[in-house]
Amino acid sequence: EDKVVQSPLSLVVHEGDTVTLNCSYEVTNFRSLLWYKQEKKAPTFLFMLTSSGIEKKSGRLSSILDKKELFSILNITATQTGDSAVYLCAAFNAGNNRKLIWGLGTSLAVNP
Amino acid sequence: NAGVTQTPKFQVLKTGQSMTLQCAQDMNHEYMSWYRQDPGMGLRLIHYSVGAGITDQGEVPNGYNVSRSTTEDFPLRLLSAAPSQTSVYFCASSYEAGRYEQYFGPGTRLTVT
Repeated sequence: EDKVVQSPLSLVVHEGDTVTLNCSYEVTNFRSLLWYKQEKKAPTFLFMLTSSGIEKKSGRLSSILDKKELFSILNITATQTGDSAVYLCAAFNAGNNRKLIWGLGTSLAVNP
Repeated sequence: NAGVTQTPKFQVLKTGQSMTLQCAQDMNHEYMSWYRQDPGMGLRLIHYSVGAGITDQGEVPNGYNVSRSTTEDFPLRLLSAAPSQTSVYFCASSYEAGRYEQYFGPGTRLTVT
């Protein structure tokens, strides 16, 4: 059965810290891995990764995929209170049932 | 360009009532899906559609029906509401499944008493 596991489930840091969020997946017919940020509303898209070893970067956030070891990480440097959110990871199964398999998320709290 | 829109934003139903949650997108996306999100359970796929006239079940389809008569609209019908269907419902769409990001609607918070 397809699954996506995120760790840690929750994290509390101080402003300025660097955090690494983990996402491992076991998904048949894997096509892509996506990261989303969810504050108290709908998830918003951060990154889509399809190739191993190629870092995607946006400001203080970056992400990379390892298709051999079946995991991805999301890094946030110099964290700010506005980074407080749930970070969701999802892997796409491109087989007959084309769908995203979602992890439970990592809840990040950044304290001033 | 409104993106993905959902109505209503909030709804309270009594057990046994039926209703339709509306979802529309104006981006000509072929792939649309419905999720429910409950505390500690993450996002769970209810139904999805890879194009007009084509729908399929996700992991929690019981008690829900969908149809996709146009590219733009993907309504979700609750046939006979139950308290277990109290949740936040999100509609999402993408241009091509798995090759482009999914855009989410703002969500509908449904309470069944």
